[in-house]
Amino acid sequence: RKEVEQDPGPFNVPEGATVAFNCTYSNSASQSFFWYRQDCRKEPKLLMSVYSSGNEDGRFTAQLNRASQYISLLIRDSKLSDSATYLCVVYLGAGSYQLTFGKGTKLSVIP
Amino acid sequence: EAQVTQNPRYLITVTGKKLTVTCSQNMNHEYMSWYRQDPGLGLRQIYYSMNVEVTDKGDVPEGYKVSRKEKRNFPLILESPSPNQTSLYFCASSNSLSYEQYFGPGTRLTVT
Repeated sequence: RKEVEQDPGPFNVPEGATVAFNCTYSNSASQSFFWYRQDCRKEPKLLMSVYSSGNEDGRFTAQLNRASQYISLLIRDSKLSDSATYLCVVYLGAGSYQLTFGKGTKLSVIP
Repeated sequence: EAQVTQNPRYLITVTGKKLTVTCSQNMNHEYMSWYRQDPGLGLRQIYYSMNVEVTDKGDVPEGYKVSRKEKRNFPLILESPSPNQTSLYFCASSNSLSYEQYFGPGTRLTVT
């Protein structure tokens, strides 16, 4: 089983739609979780960290489910500018300082 | 302006010719890391450094070397590049509390 798995998509949604991505991770000891956004051929940029209690930033909501070992990202009222690839990232911690990236989920928001 | 810089941005080289890609950050971050990104494989960590003189292997370290002599710099060295190292390379840094990575703009390397 791969360490961090994401549905590659693409997700094609109309403007204004709500879309959700899930990401599963294999190591139950993982400590920190993040969502990054990557535009084509550009560097990834941090979208939000994911906290145990869940967190929201404007139209974006991230949640963590430790029991089922997945994190989710919800985007409400999709904008054309949300079109990008969304990367799930897991930091193991506990003596291992590696960060593991999922392969990303591609989102296209259509007019 | 807080940033991570990489040089060169684009490089075409030949098999076996040693090269170095530089990475520098101005945020006083302890943690620095190198990644390569390939189609269908996503971002994979090559090496990381927890602080000056402290480095460790990531998932794909073969064929690469790194050093961390100063906190701000973390060069990636390919002593004998091969065509399978053709890729898009990113350097990133973060503080060691949050691990929220700030990425450089990327270096596109082609080895012929």
